[in-house]
Amino acid sequence: EIVMTQSPATLSVSPGERATLSCRASQSVSSNLAWYQQKPGQAPRLLIYGASTRATAIPARFSGSGSGTEFTLTISSLQSEDLAVYYCHQYNEWLGTFGQGTKVEIK
Amino acid sequence: VLLVQSGAEVKKPGESLRISCKGSGYSFTTYWIGWVRQLPGKGLEWMGIVYPGESDSRYSPSFRGQVTVSADRSISTAYLHWSSLKASDTAMYYCARGDRSGWYITDYWGQGTLVTVSS
Repeated sequence: EIVMTQSPATLSVSPGERATLSCRASQSVSSNLAWYQQKPGQAPRLLIYGASTRATAIPARFSGSGSGTEFTLTISSLQSEDLAVYYCHQYNEWLGTFGQGTKVEIK
Repeated sequence: VLLVQSGAEVKKPGESLRISCKGSGYSFTTYWIGWVRQLPGKGLEWMGIVYPGESDSRYSPSFRGQVTVSADRSISTAYLHWSSLKASDTAMYYCARGDRSGWYITDYWGQGTLVTVSS
């Protein structure tokens, strides 16, 4: 099983600042990597797939990069509504595995 | 497009359970429907996925043999079934629609079904 490790566990960022979240795979997943946002009490929402393709209606402040084993989700200018837990998900194999999540707090 | 899940369930260990996810506003047979588990206060896990148009289903290794995913095309509804629940199945369960060009492109999600298993 491919293990996904996210860092940091918690990120505290002021509104308007950049947030950088990392995700590492235990073996190469090529570009088969997605990012999800889950706000408190809500279902997850797909932000990014294919490591860098924004899903429909996702604001341009969210961007993804990386390939192989190292991936990054960047929120260029954090908004208060971005308070959430963010998960990376590798789908290099059927259904794949998620990381444990990074909680983004508003400073 | 809407995915509407069945309501919360409280069951005893050893009982069986089937929860549902009804799709509307789109062609049910041409998109995947998958199920994701979220244990209390924990992260996300894909469990299984079904393509209603061909009754093709896939499972995560952790869940193969533990649950069954299925779909009834005639009523645009997908199901997640347990034959014998355990206390460790207590969780929130979400269904999600996966694009036919890539099941991992999950553009719509259900509201979640909370399952509580307790004696």
